[in-house]
Amino acid sequence: QVQLQESGPGLVKPSETLSLTCTVSGASIKNYYWSWIRQPPGRGLEWIGYIYYSGSTNYNPSLKSRVTISIDTSKNQFSLKLNSVTPADTAVYYCARVMPTRNPRLDYWGQGTLVTVSS
Amino acid sequence: SYVLTQPPSVSVAPGQTARIPCGGNNIGSKSVHWYQQKPGQAPVLVVYDDSDRPSGIPERFSGSNSENTATLTISRVEAGDEADYSCQVWDSISDHPVVFGGGTKLTVL
Repeated sequence: QVQLQESGPGLVKPSETLSLTCTVSGASIKNYYWSWIRQPPGRGLEWIGYIYYSGSTNYNPSLKSRVTISIDTSKNQFSLKLNSVTPADTAVYYCARVMPTRNPRLDYWGQGTLVTVSS
Repeated sequence: SYVLTQPPSVSVAPGQTARIPCGGNNIGSKSVHWYQQKPGQAPVLVVYDDSDRPSGIPERFSGSNSENTATLTISRVEAGDEADYSCQVWDSISDHPVVFGGGTKLTVL
């Protein structure tokens, strides 16, 4: 059974960097894409970006200047860094596996972690 | 980037059929995936590639896709189906390939 678990601070100050890690268990991180998605309170899902196990990345253009996603295959983990955060970045952050088919879908999700941006 | 449009809410009585639309320009040419999200929980994939179901998803969940509208259909609706439902496509020619609809709140009356 594939499981994903997000970890990281639940409170970040404005202008600082949000850092989260997703630990994957029950499956190898290799041969898949891995994604970060967020959901502001009361709103819909927003794709942040994804990374392939080889290290290639693709980011949401609206966040690209502030986002870095990295991967550590030895630890079966991938990570998100979002810098210069503002209260608008307050959201539940999810990590998910991307099934690498012709029309990729997100087949396994972490439980999500709420990150609040506030001083 | 590609835009998916969903109504904010749909209501249905128990035992009836719920239909949740997802609109997009020529969406019929794309494959649509659907996610169910209950309060405080992560999204769960309930339909993929327009009409296929992952293992463990009841047959009551089905999907269709044609022209400018994809539809998630839930037959014999139960109270436990009350949730937010979001559609998603992969826009391969875009620099924003993962696109979600805004989500629809299904209320079971």
